[in-house]
Amino acid sequence: GAGVSQTPSNKVTEKGKYVELRCDPISGHTALYWYRQSLGQGPEFLIYFQGTGAADDSGLPNDRFFAVRPEGSVSTLKIQRTERGDSAVYLCASSLNPGNEQFFGPGTRLTVL
Amino acid sequence: AQSVSQHNHHVILSEAASLELGCNYSYGGTVNLFWYVQYPGQHLQLLLKYFSGDPLVKGIKGFEAEFIKSKFSFNLRKPSVQWSDTAEYFCAARGTGTASKLTFGTGTRLQVTL
Repeated sequence: GAGVSQTPSNKVTEKGKYVELRCDPISGHTALYWYRQSLGQGPEFLIYFQGTGAADDSGLPNDRFFAVRPEGSVSTLKIQRTERGDSAVYLCASSLNPGNEQFFGPGTRLTVL
Repeated sequence: AQSVSQHNHHVILSEAASLELGCNYSYGGTVNLFWYVQYPGQHLQLLLKYFSGDPLVKGIKGFEAEFIKSKFSFNLRKPSVQWSDTAEYFCAARGTGTASKLTFGTGTRLQVTL
């Protein structure tokens, strides 16, 4: 079956702009996670959804970052007033239930000029 | 604070050499431990995981890892590496409480030469 998909694969934007990154989880997976991976680092947790609600958003770095999952499937990560330090690969993962294996998508590489 | 440390940042081995990648964690309470692999141009994939029971766990492609609670370690091993094992390897941990988020190490880049 289809894995986790993320769009776009690459996004280049200018400092101060708004961006949206999309994640399509594996069908039927109730849990969805966003991570951010900076160059030379491991993925860093941002937010986790169980169904439609954000169960843990403790990893969001500041209030410029926001994520939604309105129907419990597709999720969108939104970044306002982007800064150069936001440049990273944004990874999405999903799991059947919160305690199960997390399957990762290919990521969106965000570059803020 | 929860953390995962990988001390080998870049490892170069010849084919057929044995591999051991270190991973140490710092967590309060019981943890689940994972090794993920990222092959060039591909996304993260689970190699193996430890939840409980036998501390020696076997994963895909001949990899294994040993959980040593007294050392807070979960080292990855493979007796004989292949060129196709060239990839980046990430150790990760998760508390067994309500949190489901993974905490990753910084990764180890393995390069296997012919």
